[in-house]
Amino acid sequence: SQTIHQWPATLVQPVGSPLSLECTVEGTSNPNLYWYRQAAGRGLQLLFYSVGIGQISSEVPQNLSASRPQDRQFILSSKKLLLSDSGFYLCAWSGGDSGNTIYFGEGSWLTVV
Amino acid sequence: DAKTTQPTSMDCAEGRAANLPCNHSTISGNEYVYWYRQIHSQGPQYIIHGLKNNETNEMASLIITEDRKSSTLILPHATLRDTAVYYCIVKNTGKLIFGQGTTLQVKP
Repeated sequence: SQTIHQWPATLVQPVGSPLSLECTVEGTSNPNLYWYRQAAGRGLQLLFYSVGIGQISSEVPQNLSASRPQDRQFILSSKKLLLSDSGFYLCAWSGGDSGNTIYFGEGSWLTVV
Repeated sequence: DAKTTQPTSMDCAEGRAANLPCNHSTISGNEYVYWYRQIHSQGPQYIIHGLKNNETNEMASLIITEDRKSSTLILPHATLRDTAVYYCIVKNTGKLIFGQGTTLQVKP
């Protein structure tokens, strides 16, 4: 069966520091991968999606970037965090046996201080 | 992708059926209706999806009107653990765009 994992689960980082959140999917190949963010008390916002290695689409201008170095690995990064980057970050995948249904990871809580 | 409209909040008594409505009047012929829910501090959980016909699984039933302009998610016997934000989304392929959803409060 397919599984998705992201880490770290919780992160407290100072303003101006770098960020790296990692997500991996197991049990499927060539998945579509997604990064979402949810600010406190707000809805889910799509940040990036990827249909293949090295193929990244950005949905909103921001201080973050995404990379897909391997088929089932998706990384969210920042060179210098802002206070407004705080939030709940979710990785998700679709494709293979899931068809068009998108499944989400456990999420990572980022607090920028 | 078509836009959806859901009530902001609803209450349901424990053990009763919870019926969550969704309007999607601009849905196109190849777009599916998806339902997810998000319990506080967790990732969204897939519930069910459908195209034209009504669907049922172990979690819920999805009733789609004949003109496909609206649908209803039914939780047949709501429990306190069903308290969550429920999202109705229409999409074909690719991205899921979330609205504000319906906050369902199941009360004892």
